[in-house]
Order: sequence, then structure tokens, then C-alpha cells
Amino acid sequence: GENVEQHPSTLSVQEGDSAVIKCTYSDSASNYFPWYKQELGKRPQLIIDIRSNVGEKKDQRIAVTLNKTAKHFSLHITETQPEDSAVYFCAASRAGGYQKVTFGIGTKLQVIP
Amino acid sequence: EAGVTQFPSHSVIEKGQTVTLRCDPISGHDNLYWYRRVMGKEIKFLLHFVKESKQDESGMPNNRFLAERTGGTYSTLKVQPAELEDSGVYFCASSELAGVYNEQFFGPGTRLTVL
Repeated sequence: GENVEQHPSTLSVQEGDSAVIKCTYSDSASNYFPWYKQELGKRPQLIIDIRSNVGEKKDQRIAVTLNKTAKHFSLHITETQPEDSAVYFCAASRAGGYQKVTFGIGTKLQVIP
Repeated sequence: EAGVTQFPSHSVIEKGQTVTLRCDPISGHDNLYWYRRVMGKEIKFLLHFVKESKQDESGMPNNRFLAERTGGTYSTLKVQPAELEDSGVYFCASSELAGVYNEQFFGPGTRLTVL
């Protein structure tokens, strides 16, 4: 089955700095990589995703990159703000109606004002 | 539109007791998933329903866990009898069936504590 490794498990950055979270996956058939953000006491919510036919995707201050050959993908947050503080989960799955999503361990990001 | 809802939000029970968790997916979502997160670990897949059928239950820990989705609407996850290691946050998620890349929408989770 799929295995997703995520690091670091915790990350503290100063407000305005960048944060990078890295993940690797094992199943070469995985082709859909969503990222979820879980704020304290709230539900995980999808913030961005990338499909295997692209190498990078941006949405304002967040971007994801994917290296299919190396089987790793990363989340980049620029100009971090206190409201970015949360636990971020990377995930991998095969696309299709019967997706089984495998999550990483989560990264607790703290943005220090 | 209402999102995925779960009940209860918290449950504290003693070892050996039974607990039933409920999930109401987004209306029209045929895919329903159960996950569990033990503190500090990954969100781990438990099982997947397509409508009322179990598509994949490979993540269910053991036969103390029973999931149902009668009628293909809401789902229940029963733990009987509960053990200490069953403690964690149980998430439910739902998604549409049609399409290739379907976002899974999560519920707020049920925090289960087994004493």
C-alpha cells in the first residue's frame, strides 16, 4: 500500500518568513496530492492540491511542487501570517471515484508574530 | 449548504463499554470515509463506503469495529468493546462519486477517550 512520509513534524517561523513542508510517497501509481490545513479545534480543510501532470501550482501565498521521479512533493507558504498557524497534512491517492487517501503525519506550523 | 456533521463531538467511556459514532455526509455525496487520528500520528484510513456498500475496509483495526451505512445516507461506526488504544479523533469525510479528482470534505471529528 501507499506510504506517505512528512517532515518536519513541527515548524516555527517568524511572521513574514517562508515555511516549507516536505513529503515523500511510495506508490508510483499515486497521481493526486492534496494538502489539508487543520486549525486548532476545527476540521481539516483542503487548501491546495496538485495532479501528477503538473510540476507546480500556486494560489496566492501558497504553492506546491511535485517531483514524480523522486516521488516527493512540497508545500511552500510565503510571507507567513499568524493565521497560517495550524497543522498541515500532505496526502497521496490515485485519482478516481474510489480514492483512498493516505495522509502524512502532519506538520504543526507556528507563526510567531 | 451544510457540511459533513458528526455526533457526538466528544465521548468519554470506560474500557469495555460500547460507543457509536455517527456521520452525516454532504447531501448527494456517495463516497463516505472514516479516518482516525491518534495524537501525533497520521490521519489513518479506516474504511470507505460507496453508497451503502463497503468499498474498502482494509484499515479497520479489528472486529471490535463495525461500520454501517444503511440506505446510503448517514453512517455509524460502533466500537464494542472499547479498548484504551481506541482513543483518538475519528473523522468522517465525504465526496462525490462522479469525476476524477474529488475533494474529500471532512467533518469536525469525534474525540473518543477510553479510560
